[in-house]
Amino acid sequence: SQQGEEDPQALSIQEGENATMNCSYKTSINNLQWYRQNSGRGLVHLILIRSNEREKHSGRLRVTLDTSKKSSSLLITASRAADTASYFCATAQSGSEKLVFGKGMKLTVNP
Amino acid sequence: NAGVTQTPKFRVLKTGQSMTLLCAQDMNHEYMYWYRQDPGMGLRLIHYSVGEGTTAKGEVPDGYNVSRLKKQNFLLGLESAAPSQTSVYFCASSSYRGSNEQYFGPGTRLTVT
Repeated sequence: SQQGEEDPQALSIQEGENATMNCSYKTSINNLQWYRQNSGRGLVHLILIRSNEREKHSGRLRVTLDTSKKSSSLLITASRAADTASYFCATAQSGSEKLVFGKGMKLTVNP
Repeated sequence: NAGVTQTPKFRVLKTGQSMTLLCAQDMNHEYMYWYRQDPGMGLRLIHYSVGEGTTAKGEVPDGYNVSRLKKQNFLLGLESAAPSQTSVYFCASSSYRGSNEQYFGPGTRLTVT
């Protein structure tokens, strides 16, 4: 059963615009992670935010976590055509050895 | 370092045939995972291992078996393939804590006819 649900399921923007993706989850977590998957490839880890953190930055990525609302957002600033991919959020529940992935959302950045 | 590798990349099976998918990692990771990815379903965990000689069931284990005889290898077996097992299979590994970031292989595309 999916823990995280990404929203929107698909997003199409122009190069240079910002892209925001949201993830909602249901149970208490230890951390939340975002992954990217280019077409036909494996997933690549982007960023991890722990339950006691509210915001984290990595290059053009900004992740926020609101544990009271059980939600997270991933912001990609100044998007590039190379950011075109599917993005997944994954949650690690406290004490668990596993990640639970959402269904993913598809981002298309048009040049 | 090669990271996580998967063999084979593609395979077509007939219903009832068996096969083994091999995952290898050279990062000395304790945790290894097998997922399947189907359109609109995201990634679903099949089996996982928290160390050499251990295995555990994930969300969708039926029809699959696994073995972790060596720390660097994690094998996924299909004893009698069914069309419902047509999917893309990904292996992943993770260091010390399973909830740390996972490193994924390139995937195996399996079609069962």
